Amino acid sequence: DIQMTQSPSSLSASVGDRITITCRASQGVNKALVWFQQKPGKAPKSLIYDASILQSGVPSKFSGSGSGTDFTLTISSLQPEDFATYYCQQYHSFPLTFGGGSKVEIK
Amino acid sequence: HLLESGGGLVKPGASLRLSCAASGFTFSISAMSWVRQAPGKGLEWVSTFRGSDVTTYYAESVKGRFTISRDTSKNMVFLQMNNLRAEDTAVYFCVKDGSGDVWGQGTPVTVSS
Repeated sequence: DIQMTQSPSSLSASVGDRITITCRASQGVNKALVWFQQKPGKAPKSLIYDASILQSGVPSKFSGSGSGTDFTLTISSLQPEDFATYYCQQYHSFPLTFGGGSKVEIK
Repeated sequence: HLLESGGGLVKPGASLRLSCAASGFTFSISAMSWVRQAPGKGLEWVSTFRGSDVTTYYAESVKGRFTISRDTSKNMVFLQMNNLRAEDTAVYFCVKDGSGDVWGQGTPVTVSS
């Protein structure tokens, strides 16, 4: 199984900050990686797929990069609606696997 | 659009069948998955039905107990869950494609005596 390791598991940031979350796969997944945002009590929402392609309707302040084993999600200029938990997931091979999540909180 | 139903409170060892009604996309060729989230925990993939070649996949934790199936005439996917355990307690989400571009709102399953 491919293990997905996210860091940090939590971070405190202020409105207007730029933040980066990393996701590392235990073996190469090419670009088969998606980033989700989840708010309490809601279903996850896809932000970026194929490691760097913005999902339709997602604002351009979200960006993704990487391939193989190392990936990043960057949010430029955090807004109040961006405080949430973010997950990465690989879909290169079964079993599909998720990172443990990164909770972004208001400082 | 995806809409799940069928969750509830059951005792250990019982069975439940979750349903997911799909609309707005070509269901027959899509991969459909179930992903669950235990209270206060992260996301866990459970099972996938790959429509392109009619192949099913399961997490080790549910293999032999859960069965995924679909009815293309009704655009529905199902998760038959047998011999439920306390650790199966979670919100179960229906998800389109391996890259998860569409999610249902989730249906809660509680396994408790």
